[in-house]
Order: sequence, then structure tokens, then C-alpha cells
Amino acid sequence: SQTIHQWPATLVQPVGSPLSLECTVEGTSNPNLYWYRQAAGRGLQLLFYSVGIGQISSEVPQNLSASRPQDRQFILSSKKLLLSDSGFYLCAWGPGLAAYNEQFFGPGTRLTVL
Amino acid sequence: DAKTTQPNSMESNEEEPVHLPCNHSTISGTDYIHWYRQLPSQGPEYVIHGLTSNVNNRMASLAIAEDRKSSTLILHRATLRDAAVYYCILRTPSQGAQKLVFGQGTRLTINP
Repeated sequence: SQTIHQWPATLVQPVGSPLSLECTVEGTSNPNLYWYRQAAGRGLQLLFYSVGIGQISSEVPQNLSASRPQDRQFILSSKKLLLSDSGFYLCAWGPGLAAYNEQFFGPGTRLTVL
Repeated sequence: DAKTTQPNSMESNEEEPVHLPCNHSTISGTDYIHWYRQLPSQGPEYVIHGLTSNVNNRMASLAIAEDRKSSTLILHRATLRDAAVYYCILRTPSQGAQKLVFGQGTRLTINP
């Protein structure tokens, strides 16, 4: 069966510090991978998605970036965090491009920028 | 993605059925109806999806209106663990890459 891992689970970082969040998927090949963010009391917002190694699409302009160095690894980064980057970051994977395919979410990383 | 409308909140009692409505009057013929739920402090969880016919799985049932302009997620016997925010999402085939657009959802409270 497939599993998705995210770490760390929680993170407290000062403004201006760098960020690296990692997501890995097990039990599947060539998944579509996604990073979402949920700000406090708000809905989920898609940040980035990837359909293959090295292929990244950005949905929202911001000071975050994403990379996919391996088939089942997805990394979210920032060189300098802002207060507004605080939120619940969720990685997800999907098995295909069809509209009937599901997405499966990881446990999330709760980021607080102080 | 086409827009969906859900009540902000609903309340039910444990061991009773729950019917969560969703309106999607601008749905196109090829849009799939997906439901996800998010328990407190967790990532969203896939619940069920359908196109035209009613669907059942181990978690819930999905009843789709004949004109497809609305649908209802049915939890047959609610437990306290079903307290969550439920999202009704339309998926458009032409979009590609399975982008999910989450609205505000319905916050379901289950009373013991």
C-alpha cells in the first residue's frame, strides 16, 4: 500500500530564516505531487504541483519554491521566511491525471514564523 | 473548477444518519463530484467521488441528483470520529494534474 511522509511535524522559525520541508511517497511510481498551504481558519491553497522529476508548476507567486529531485520526493523551500508564511503545509500525491483520481494527503507540517 | 455551495455547519447525533448537501448548479457534463473531509489538525482525507450514478463505499454514500446540479454525502451511522470539515469539490477533466480547489466546506459536529 502507498504511504506519504512529511517532516518535520511542527516547526518554529524566526522571520528571515530559511525553510526546507520534505515529503516522500512510498509504494507507487511516478506520482503527481502537490504542496498545499492552509492558513489559520482558512481553506487549502495549492502552492505547487509536479508531474515528474524536475517538473514544477507554481500556482501562487510567493517567496517559496519547490523541487522534485527524485521520483517520490518533493521539497518545499524558502530562503527567507515571512510572518505570512505561517500555516499548515500539506503534501499530497495522486496516481494520475484523470478527473476521477483521488489525492492522498500527508500528515502535514505546522509552521510558525515568529 | 466549477463552484460548489455548502452550508457552513451542520450538527447531528451519534449513531444517526447524516446528510451533507452540496449545490453545484454550474457543473458541466464531464465534471466529477469529489468529497474530502478534514479532521482537526490532520490533512484532508478522500471520502468518495462520482459522476452520474449514486456511489457507495465503506465510508459513505454519494447521492447525485438526476440533473447533477446537487449531490448529498450520506454518513449512514455517524460516530464521534466523523466530526470534521467536509468539502465538496468538482474536478474538471480539462484542467489536468488533478488540481483540487477547496472551498470553506461544512463543519460537521457530532453530539454524543
